[in-house]
Amino acid sequence: GESVGLHLPTLSVQEGDNSIINCAYSNSASDYFIWYKQESGKGPQFIIDIRSNMDKRQGQRVTVLLNKTVKHLSLQIAATQPGDSAVYFCAEHGSGNTGKLIFGQGTTLQVKP
Amino acid sequence: GAGVSQSPSNKVTEKGKDVELRCDPISGHTALYWYRQSLGQGLEFLIYFQGNSAPDKSGLPSDRFSAERTGGSVSTLTIQRTQQEDSAVYLCASRFSGLEQFFGPGTRLTVL
Repeated sequence: GESVGLHLPTLSVQEGDNSIINCAYSNSASDYFIWYKQESGKGPQFIIDIRSNMDKRQGQRVTVLLNKTVKHLSLQIAATQPGDSAVYFCAEHGSGNTGKLIFGQGTTLQVKP
Repeated sequence: GAGVSQSPSNKVTEKGKDVELRCDPISGHTALYWYRQSLGQGLEFLIYFQGNSAPDKSGLPSDRFSAERTGGSVSTLTIQRTQQEDSAVYLCASRFSGLEQFFGPGTRLTVL
């Protein structure tokens, strides 16, 4: 069935370094992708999204890259800060107007001071 | 404006009891979702309401789980005869016209 998976369950980086969190998806027809950040004890918060007609989208300190050829999504965080420590989820929306997102298992980002 | 709110924030119950979890979506949001998140896991879709359409119940794990949405706003997720494996964080999300879902803080359910 459809699935969204993450390559690494935990990523540890030094404060100030750049972080890259990867995500693989299986539905080549998915038309929309989104990254969420979930801090301990809180609900997921929107970080950035991208539509399938784009390869790259930039936000404040974050960039999402989409490689449709290999069905791969990545989230890059520049100059990682302690406040970036959280679990990051990617999610995909299949084609059509289902309104449903399929979430990956999540990657824990640990930022070392 | 106010975000999605959920109550209670924590619920401890005994095995076999029924529980009700409440979600207040963002005002005007027509779509509402319930997810379950077990410890250290991703989000498991449970049910989806969109306007006046019949809800998508395809993610409900058993007939002990049910949900309703009254007046197109507040939603209640009910779990009957709770089991220990029902222990998890139950998240609610709502959205308007885009695909981004806005999440509430969740209800942590512990079944003893």
